[in-house]
Amino acid sequence: GENVEQHPSTLSVQEGDSAVIKCTYSDSASNYFPWYKQELGKGPQLIIDIRSNVGEKKDQRIAVTLNKTAKHFSLHITETQPEDSAVYFCAASSGSGGSNYKLTFGKGTLLTVNP
Amino acid sequence: SQTIHQWPATLVQPVGSPLSLECTVEGTSNPNLYWYRQAAGRGLQLLFYSVGIGQISSEVPQNLSASRPQDRQFILSSKKLLLSDSGFYLCAWNSRPYEQYFGPGTRLTVT
Repeated sequence: GENVEQHPSTLSVQEGDSAVIKCTYSDSASNYFPWYKQELGKGPQLIIDIRSNVGEKKDQRIAVTLNKTAKHFSLHITETQPEDSAVYFCAASSGSGGSNYKLTFGKGTLLTVNP
Repeated sequence: SQTIHQWPATLVQPVGSPLSLECTVEGTSNPNLYWYRQAAGRGLQLLFYSVGIGQISSEVPQNLSASRPQDRQFILSSKKLLLSDSGFYLCAWNSRPYEQYFGPGTRLTVT
């Protein structure tokens, strides 16, 4: 089955700096890669995703890049703000056939943005 | 728009007691539904998923069971809770390939 590795497990940055979180996956059939943000005591929130026919996607201060050859994808947050502090999860899915589209998650990155 | 509800929000139960957590989705039909558990340490463990009424797949053997009595209702149950069942339980759904959305979660403490 799919295996997703996520690094780093914790990341501390100064407000205004950039933050980068990286993930690798093992199943070459995976073609969908979402990122979730989870604030303390809440459910994860989908913040951005990318599909395998795209190399990069951007939404305001966040962007995701995908390298299918190397089987890795990354989340980039620019101009970080204290409200960006949260746990971030990457995930991968093959989304292939049938009607079930299970996600395999990384173990999460605790991002702290210091004012 | 679609909305997912979970209740209760928090629950404290003694060891050996039964459990019933409920999840409902509004604004969509025939969604895929998922139960996850998140223990301390942040990882998300998929427990069960369902692609239709009465169709339940278990990802890991455990003390829990799931049922889907209605199209947009997903229930997580246990006959006798263990201390190790403590955690943050999350329900999620999707109704088309890819995007999966989570509910607010239930914090379960087994004492």
